[in-house]
Amino acid sequence: GQQVMQIPQYQHVQEGEDFTTYCNSSTTLSNIQWYKQRPGGHPVFLIQLVKSGEVKKQKRLTFQFGEAKKNSSLHITATQTTDVGTYFCAGSGNTPLVFGKGTRLSVIA
Amino acid sequence: NAGVMQNPRHLVRRRGQEARLRCSPMKGHSHVYWYRQLPEEGLKFMVYLQKENIIDESGMPKERFSAEFPKEGPSILRIQQVVRGDSAAYFCASSPTGPGLAGGRNEQFFGPGTRLTVL
Repeated sequence: GQQVMQIPQYQHVQEGEDFTTYCNSSTTLSNIQWYKQRPGGHPVFLIQLVKSGEVKKQKRLTFQFGEAKKNSSLHITATQTTDVGTYFCAGSGNTPLVFGKGTRLSVIA
Repeated sequence: NAGVMQNPRHLVRRRGQEARLRCSPMKGHSHVYWYRQLPEEGLKFMVYLQKENIIDESGMPKERFSAEFPKEGPSILRIQQVVRGDSAAYFCASSPTGPGLAGGRNEQFFGPGTRLTVL
């Protein structure tokens, strides 16, 4: 079945440093979604990418969808303590979303 | 517009008892998904339902687990004869459209989850 892998599993950064998490699917995706889950909270939708090579920005967050629609990345510029949490990518083909295991981000002030 | 609601938020059961988890999707959403999350782990898909129908239950254990989404009322995830290994957070999500809608926005809106503890 479809698998979505995410790296790294954990990332510790100093406040102000950049952060990137990578997502790879075993199959071509129709779209990819990114979610953020704060400690003790529930996943919250961030963005959906649909087109091959698509790049979207949300303030300090930049999302990319690979040309082959099998990989994606999330880059955060100049991290802040409010960025703490686990970032999940989720791929969609013709089946319900398949979530990666997430990258847990810690930001040291 | 109220978000996805789940209750109870916390549920404690002894081994062998039944657990019933409820999920009310966002207004206007007819697609419901259930996920299970173990501590420090990702979200594992369990079942996808659309009003009165189970569309995909490939992630749900064949025994002891069942789900329904009746015409009226919330979606229910039922776990019979719970065991300690069932302890986890169970999240429900809803969406206005189903998966596979190319180009369509089908993001999922998650409820706060039910934390199940089996003693």
